Amino acid sequence: QVQLQESGPGLVKPSETLSLTCTVSGGSISYYYWTWIRQPPGRGLEWIGFIYSSGSTNYNPSLKSRVTISVDTSKNQFSLKLSSVTAADTAVYYCARAPSDVNYYMDVWGKGTTVTVSS
Amino acid sequence: DIQMTQSPSSLSASIGDRVTITCRASQSISNYLNWYQQKPGKAPKLLIYAASILQTGVPSRFSGSGSGTDFTLTISSLQSEDFATYYCQQGYSTPYTFGQGAKLEIK
Repeated sequence: QVQLQESGPGLVKPSETLSLTCTVSGGSISYYYWTWIRQPPGRGLEWIGFIYSSGSTNYNPSLKSRVTISVDTSKNQFSLKLSSVTAADTAVYYCARAPSDVNYYMDVWGKGTTVTVSS
Repeated sequence: DIQMTQSPSSLSASIGDRVTITCRASQSISNYLNWYQQKPGKAPKLLIYAASILQTGVPSRFSGSGSGTDFTLTISSLQSEDFATYYCQQGYSTPYTFGQGAKLEIK
């Protein structure tokens, strides 16, 4: 059974770069779309972007200038970098797996990690 | 971006009730509509994909229907574990977007 686990700092200073990693266990990282989603406190879900196992990416235009998603297939991990963060980037960040880009849906999720942007 | 609008945003119901949540897309998305359940402090859980296909392990009291712009999630007989927030999500085009959520509470 595939499991995902987010890791990274829980506190990031304004203007710095948020960096998170998602480790995939119990299955291969190949042939799936690996996704980052976030949820600000008390609010709804926002799709940040995905990376396919081959390395192709697609980002939310609202964040595109600040987002980089990368994959390390040798470690079965993928990562998120979000630059120039502000308080508005405070959220629970989830990594998730999507089986296809035809009707894109997330069938496996990590538990989420809380990131707070504050000095 | 495709806007997803859910109604109602919140509702109260009793154990055993039949409940329906609707989701409307700002443009046609075929059947590329997915439903998730989220409980407090937990990650969302996929319930239904492609508008009507039940994810493995999800109880059969959950069902989905619709195509084009209008979709529904129905819970045929509410159980205590169903009280949660439900989100629809369009998987038709990027950026993939979610509804604002429908919070289902105990009456």
